[in-house]
Amino acid sequence: GQQLNQSPQSMFIQEGEDVSMNCTSSSIFNTWLWYKQDPGEGPVLLIALYKAGELTSNGRLTAQFGITRKDSFLNISASIPSDVGIYFCAGRWSSGAGSYQLTFGKGTKLSVIP
Amino acid sequence: DTEVTQTPKHLVMGMTNKKSLKCEQHMGHRAMYWYKQKAKKPPELMFVYSYEKLSINESVPSRFSPECPNSSLLNLHLHALQPEDSALYLCASSPGSAEAFFGQGTRLTVV
Repeated sequence: GQQLNQSPQSMFIQEGEDVSMNCTSSSIFNTWLWYKQDPGEGPVLLIALYKAGELTSNGRLTAQFGITRKDSFLNISASIPSDVGIYFCAGRWSSGAGSYQLTFGKGTKLSVIP
Repeated sequence: DTEVTQTPKHLVMGMTNKKSLKCEQHMGHRAMYWYKQKAKKPPELMFVYSYEKLSINESVPSRFSPECPNSSLLNLHLHALQPEDSALYLCASSPGSAEAFFGQGTRLTVV
């Protein structure tokens, strides 16, 4: 099956620092998604990437779809306390018969020290 | 509007109870999903509905029974659950080959 390796598993950073996390896979995905999840809540979509090589920004967040379609990274600039949470990458792939599935990375837990 | 609404937000049920989780979206999305998420783990896919038809069942035990009454609603019927079924249950919807939007989840505790 599809598997994603997400790193790092956890990060402790000072407020104001930049953050970088990434996902790699041996499989090709046709869409990469980045989600943030707060405790007890559902994942919230941050950025969606649709084309190999695509670089997309959403405020202080920047993500790229790797040229090989097997990897993606997410950068957060000038971190603030509300960036705390678990960040998941997800690769979207066709499971046939018009259905699509997401494969999730194991998540990166971000802690911001004020 | 990218809202997926799940009810209830919290549910405590006994192992002999029958309960249902509900999910609603009004974005016209043709695909709807149920995921199960345990603490500190990523969401795990349970079921996929495409055009109101069940298209994927990830070998989920029969004590979980999904239902899609119409294109906006998705239910998950629960019966004779075990304590290990306690988890956050997430509903998501997608317009197709694009991104998936998640609801806030139902925190289920089986006692």
